Amino acid sequence: EAGVAQSPRYKIIEKRQSVAFWCNPISGHATLYWYQQILGQGPKLLIQFQNNGVVDDSQLPKDRFSAERLKGVDSTLKIQPAKLEDSAVYLCASDPAGLAGEQYFGPGTRLTVT
Amino acid sequence: AQSVAQPEDQVNVAEGNPLTVKCTYSVSGNPYLFWYVQYPNRGLQFLLKYITGDNLVKGSYGFEAEFNKSQTSFHLKKPSALVSDSALYFCAVKGNTGFQKLVFGTGTRLLVSP
Repeated sequence: EAGVAQSPRYKIIEKRQSVAFWCNPISGHATLYWYQQILGQGPKLLIQFQNNGVVDDSQLPKDRFSAERLKGVDSTLKIQPAKLEDSAVYLCASDPAGLAGEQYFGPGTRLTVT
Repeated sequence: AQSVAQPEDQVNVAEGNPLTVKCTYSVSGNPYLFWYVQYPNRGLQFLLKYITGDNLVKGSYGFEAEFNKSQTSFHLKKPSALVSDSALYFCAVKGNTGFQKLVFGTGTRLLVSP
């Protein structure tokens, strides 16, 4: 089966600009996650969707980050305006909504904010 | 809140020797424990998980992990390391009660020398 797809793979922007990332999860996976992975750290959950509803966005900086999952499939994560500290790899993951199930990760988008 | 500690930033081992990557955790309730591997410029790949049952869990690529409840540990092991095992390894935990997000450790870089 096809894996989790993400685009773009790399993005360089200047601070205060906006950027959007796209994720297409594995077909049939109800749960979708966005993680932020700063260099030297483990992934940190930003937001979790169950179908097209938000389950947890407690660690999403809502003053500048937004995410949506229309029709319970694809998802976009947006940053506006970007700050230098947003430089990181943004990982999308999905799973079939089992509590004990493993998550399947996409290749990530490496964002550099200058 | 749950947490994971990976006390070693890097583990060095010679090819053919056994390897151990350490992980300890803290969680409310009983844990679901996971190991993921990350190769350069790629997303995380699932290796193995502990949900319940046998304390020794076998996973992909010859890796295994031992769950020790009294020591709250879930160390990753392999009897004979390969150069191709060189990568970044992440331990992750979530609790099995209510909604709990998956929390990752900071990662351990495994370097296997020929």
